[in-house]
Order: sequence, then structure tokens, then C-alpha cells
Amino acid sequence: AQSVTQLDSHVSVSEGTPVLLRCNYSSSYSPSLFWYVQHPNKGLQLLLKYTSAATLVKGINGFEAEFKKSETSFHLTKPSAHMSDAAEYFCVVSDKSGNQFYFGTGTSLTVIP
Amino acid sequence: KAGVTQTPRYLIKTRGQQVTLSCSPISGHRSVSWYQQTPGQGLQFLFEYFSETQRNKGNFPGRFSGRQFSNSRSEMNVSTLELGDSALYLCASSLDPYTDTQYFGPGTRLTVL
Repeated sequence: AQSVTQLDSHVSVSEGTPVLLRCNYSSSYSPSLFWYVQHPNKGLQLLLKYTSAATLVKGINGFEAEFKKSETSFHLTKPSAHMSDAAEYFCVVSDKSGNQFYFGTGTSLTVIP
Repeated sequence: KAGVTQTPRYLIKTRGQQVTLSCSPISGHRSVSWYQQTPGQGLQFLFEYFSETQRNKGNFPGRFSGRQFSNSRSEMNVSTLELGDSALYLCASSLDPYTDTQYFGPGTRLTVL
């Protein structure tokens, strides 16, 4: 069975400092992994995805994530937080058929001016 | 290219009523997935349609149903509404969920009174 665990329900950082949002996954095969962001009253927007190519994945808005099979992790990072990064972030794994996505419970990111 | 559109954006119903939500995928996308998002349960997969066929279904009661038309537009129906059905219902489309990115619509906010 596939699942993801987002280790922090809430993360607070100061503007200009690094962001780290943690995600561990469980999958019985090589998974596809995604990070989505949801701003208030908006739908979900894809930040980046991993599909067994390069382990360091670069996404939009300066975000990137590293797939570490040995640690079953797919943490999201950004070198310098911006106020506009304040949102809810979801780590997602898809099943082998790709017909179903499993969402983490989300991490709420607050950026302090 | 126009994004995923969902109508209506907001809906208020009373217990026992039924509701139909609509999703228009990105042009050319044949896969449409539906999700329910609530503060308590997070994002949960409802079902996925591909070329008018339901390929996968999440763990929801039979009151939740859907269909997809030949133009890939999809509808979701909830009968005999309960208070717990109040949620944001998100639709996502893709060429193929496993190999391609899912693009989410803004959602329909359903409130059951």
C-alpha cells in the first residue's frame, strides 16, 4: 500500500530564511511523488514531481525536492522564503497504475515578515 | 490553454437533498479525478474516470457517484446529503495520472445545513 506522512503540520519561518517541509513515503515499488501547494480559497497547484529520473527535482517558484530512497523521504526545500509562499503544502504519492493519488495531511507554512 | 473549471464554485444545500457538481477538464485531457477536502480528513480520493469509464474508486459510500461524458467533462453526484458532506470538492484532470501531471480546478465549496 502507498502512503505519505508529512512530519510537520505547521512550519513557521522568517522571510528570507530557508524552508524545509518534510515528507516520508511508503511504497512497495518505485513511486511517483509530487508536491502541491494550495493557497487560501484556491485549488491545488503542482510545485514539482518525481518520476524515477533525477533524484533532485526542481520545481516552480524556487522550490526543489530530493528523492532519497534509502530514507524513503521526499523533503521540499527553498533557500529563501517569500511572503507569497505562505500556503498549505501537500506531499502526494501515486499508486502503480496512476489511477489513485494518496495525499499527506498537509503542512501549513507561515512566513513571518 | 484554459485550466480546469468547476461549477458552481459555492453551493448551499440542506440535509436530504442531492447535489450535482460539474468539472470541465483541460482540453485534451481524458482523465478526471475527484477529491473531497475537509479540515478533519484532509484530501481524500473519491474516484477517477478515463474515457467515460470509472477506473478507480475511493472508500466512500454509494451516495457518491459520478460519470464522464464523451467530451471528458465529468459530473459528481451526492444523494441524500448529510452534514458531514460539507467540504471542498476538487476535480483534477490529466492526460494520464501516472505519467502526467494532474491539474486541479479551484473546487466547489459545498455547505450542507
